[in-house]
Amino acid sequence: EADIYQTPRYLVIGTGKKITLECSQTMGHDKMYWYQQDPGMELHLIHYSYGVNSTEKGDLSSESTVSRIRTEHFPLTLESARPSHTSQYLCASRLRDRGRAFFGQGTRLTVV
Amino acid sequence: GQQLNQSPQSMFIQEGEDVSMNCTSSSIFNTWLWYKQEPGEGPVLLIALYKAGELTSNGRLTAQFGITRKDSFLNISASIPSDVGIYFCAGCSNTGNQFYFGTGTSLTVIP
Repeated sequence: EADIYQTPRYLVIGTGKKITLECSQTMGHDKMYWYQQDPGMELHLIHYSYGVNSTEKGDLSSESTVSRIRTEHFPLTLESARPSHTSQYLCASRLRDRGRAFFGQGTRLTVV
Repeated sequence: GQQLNQSPQSMFIQEGEDVSMNCTSSSIFNTWLWYKQEPGEGPVLLIALYKAGELTSNGRLTAQFGITRKDSFLNISASIPSDVGIYFCAGCSNTGNQFYFGTGTSLTVIP
């Protein structure tokens, strides 16, 4: 069973608010990822990290930012939420280049 | 990014039937992963494949790593209602730290 956790599970916020989505894993994985997914659709990579103090933007343009100060923690921040940010955000981690990737349960974000 | 095409896009089958789906890529991968996702949840890893030609089973699920390294297949035998969900393939090359997801196959099992 994967030990990767996301909080909150569900979040409804007003436009213009700053929010941080949390992701933590206890498996000691170096590589962590954030994906955005609309219901029933494919996953789009928005950010990833190879390890502490390393972050990269993914294929999908995003107005969010990430940080990786500790191996186990990879938070995603939206400085000013907009209705277009309404989506499900999924965090994943894996140990090495060919290692299996495990996902958290996701955060369902609604911006009103 | 890389584009992985899954087919079929959706399937409606009778309980007890076998299911086959596949995933193709324009690039070579050295790892293929298959996930199942249920509504409102994160994807759950079903099977991991690491070698061309490899055939791996997990209960009623069997997946194969294609010989060309550009495709992979997932079969589900004797489907049951709890098999309902979206199945995603993911591929990873040895040139980068990313892994890429397919477009998904939505499975509906009719009792």
